[in-house]
Order: sequence, then structure tokens, then C-alpha cells
Amino acid sequence: AQSVTQLDSQVPVFEEAPVELRCNYSSSVSVYLFWYVQYPNQGLQLLLKYLSGSTLVESINGFEAEFNKSQTSFHLRKPSVHISDTAEYFCAVSPRSYNTDKLIFGTGTRLQVFP
Amino acid sequence: NAGVTQTPKFRVLKTGQSMTLLCAQDMNHEYMYWYRQDPGMGLRLIHYSVGEGTTAKGEVPDGYNVSRLKKQNFLLGLESAAPSQTSVYFCASSYSRTRTGGLGQPQHFGDGTRLSIL
Repeated sequence: AQSVTQLDSQVPVFEEAPVELRCNYSSSVSVYLFWYVQYPNQGLQLLLKYLSGSTLVESINGFEAEFNKSQTSFHLRKPSVHISDTAEYFCAVSPRSYNTDKLIFGTGTRLQVFP
Repeated sequence: NAGVTQTPKFRVLKTGQSMTLLCAQDMNHEYMYWYRQDPGMGLRLIHYSVGEGTTAKGEVPDGYNVSRLKKQNFLLGLESAAPSQTSVYFCASSYSRTRTGGLGQPQHFGDGTRLSIL
């Protein structure tokens, strides 16, 4: 079985400050890793993904995440946040061995950016 | 290109009533999923489908039924609604791994259906 832990339920930061949202997972098989973002009253949007290759992946809006196999982590970082980054962020895994892309989600981290 | 469309967006039911939530996707995706989102619990998979005419149980299937008669549609039914089913329901879809050479693919989500059971 797989599980995903997002230890921080809320992360308050000031605009232009750096931020890290932590994600750890547990799995007996190799997994694909994803970060999704949910803006208020909307569905989830893919932020970035790790499927294979370079362990550092980046999004178009300045976020990056690094897959660390030994620590089973996939932390999300941004060097300078904007007000518009205020949202809920979900880390998710999908086992490579499955014949579907079922996602196992963490409980989410609410990022609140203050001016 | 609408992506994933869920109807209705909001609904209030009384305990014991039945209803069907509709999900439609126009991306020709093979896989479709239904999740529920509850505060502090993230999203949990209810049922999923890997193709037309096939469905399977997810993590929390009790009290729900699904059907996938057409590739583009995935219906979620509540036969006898209970207050514990008050939640926000999300539908998602993705390409099959066969089409993508075995690689996992991200899911595309609808905007959700907010359901309250009184």
C-alpha cells in the first residue's frame, strides 16, 4: 500500500519570501510523483510531475520539486512567492506497477501569502 | 475544448434521496475517476474506470455506484443519500498507460460538485 504525508496543513508566508512545502511518501513499489494546486472553488490543476530522468522538476510559474529516493520525499519549493500563489497544494503518488493512474493524495497544505 | 465537465455544480439532498452526478470529458481519455474531497483528508478515490463498460472500486466505494456506458461519460450514483456523503466530488480523466508507453500520466480534473445531504 502507499501513503502520502504532508506534515504542514497550513503555511503562512509574506510575499517575496521563499517557501517549502514538504511531502513524504511510503510505498513498497516505485512510484510516479505529482504536485497539484487547487485555487478556491476550482478543481485541481497539475503543477509538476516526476516520471523519470532528472530528479529536479520545474513548473512554468517558478515552482520546483526534487525527488529524493533515499528520503522518499518530493518537497515543493519556490524562491519568491506571490499573492497569486495562495492556494491549496496536494502531493500525490501513483504506483508504477498499476495499470491505471490511480492517485494517492496527501491531505494538502494551504499556502497563504500575505502582502 | 472544455476538458472535464461536471454537472451539477451544487446540489442539496434530503437523507434517503437518490441522485446521479455526471462527468463528461472531450479529450478521448481512456481512464476516468471519481474522488471525494473532505476537509483535512485530501482526495479519496471512490471508483474508477479503465475503459468503456468497465468499472472498479477505489478506496471508499460504499454507498456509491458508477457506470461507464460511453467512453466520454462517467456517472456516479448515490442510491440512498446519507449525511456522511456530504462532500465535494471531483471527476478526473487521463490517457491509458498503454497509449503512453507505460509512463504514468497526470489526471485532468473537473471543477467539482458540491453536495450537501440534510
